[in-house]
Amino acid sequence: GQQVMQIPQYQHVQEGEDFTTYCNSSTTLSNIQWYKQRPGGHPVFLIQLVKSGEVKKQKRLTFQFGEAKKNSSLHITATQTTDVGTYFCAGRGSSYKLIFGSGTRLLVRP
Amino acid sequence: GAVVSQHPSWVICKSGTSVKIECRSLDFQATTMFWYRQFPKQSLMLMATSNEGSKATYEQGVEKDKFLINHASLTLSTLTVTSAHPEDSSFYICSAPRRLAGDNEQFFGPGTRLTVL
Repeated sequence: GQQVMQIPQYQHVQEGEDFTTYCNSSTTLSNIQWYKQRPGGHPVFLIQLVKSGEVKKQKRLTFQFGEAKKNSSLHITATQTTDVGTYFCAGRGSSYKLIFGSGTRLLVRP
Repeated sequence: GAVVSQHPSWVICKSGTSVKIECRSLDFQATTMFWYRQFPKQSLMLMATSNEGSKATYEQGVEKDKFLINHASLTLSTLTVTSAHPEDSSFYICSAPRRLAGDNEQFFGPGTRLTVL
């Protein structure tokens, strides 16, 4: 079945440093979504990417969807302590279901 | 944005009892809702898709007789964990999709933390 892998598992950065998490799917995706989950909270939708090679920005966050629509990345420029949390990618293949990646836990040292 | 509520937010029960968790879409209708389970520091694992007016669709390995799902209306889905055991202790989260600004977002409930003693 469809699998979505995400790396790294966790990353600890100094405030102001950049951060990137990568997502790879075993199958071609119709779209990919990114979510953020704060400790003790529930996932919150960040963005959806649909087109091959698509790049979207939200302030310090840059999201990319690969040309083959099998991989994606989230890059945070100049991290802040408010960026702390676990970032999940979630891919949708041919079915309606979202398959979540394993998540990358981001810790930011002030 | 859309709001999904979940009740209860946490529950502690004895082994062998049944626990019902409610998921409501507060300001939109949801013909489909999803139930996930999340163990500590792990990802969300899709358990089943709840369909209004028809049977739920369960993922491979999820016992449908143990995790009963009822989608009673366009705004309510319930998950009942029957004869709960300690290994069922987990964070259960529901979600409902809604198309906003062209994106088919999943709106998640706040989750229910189940502890089975």
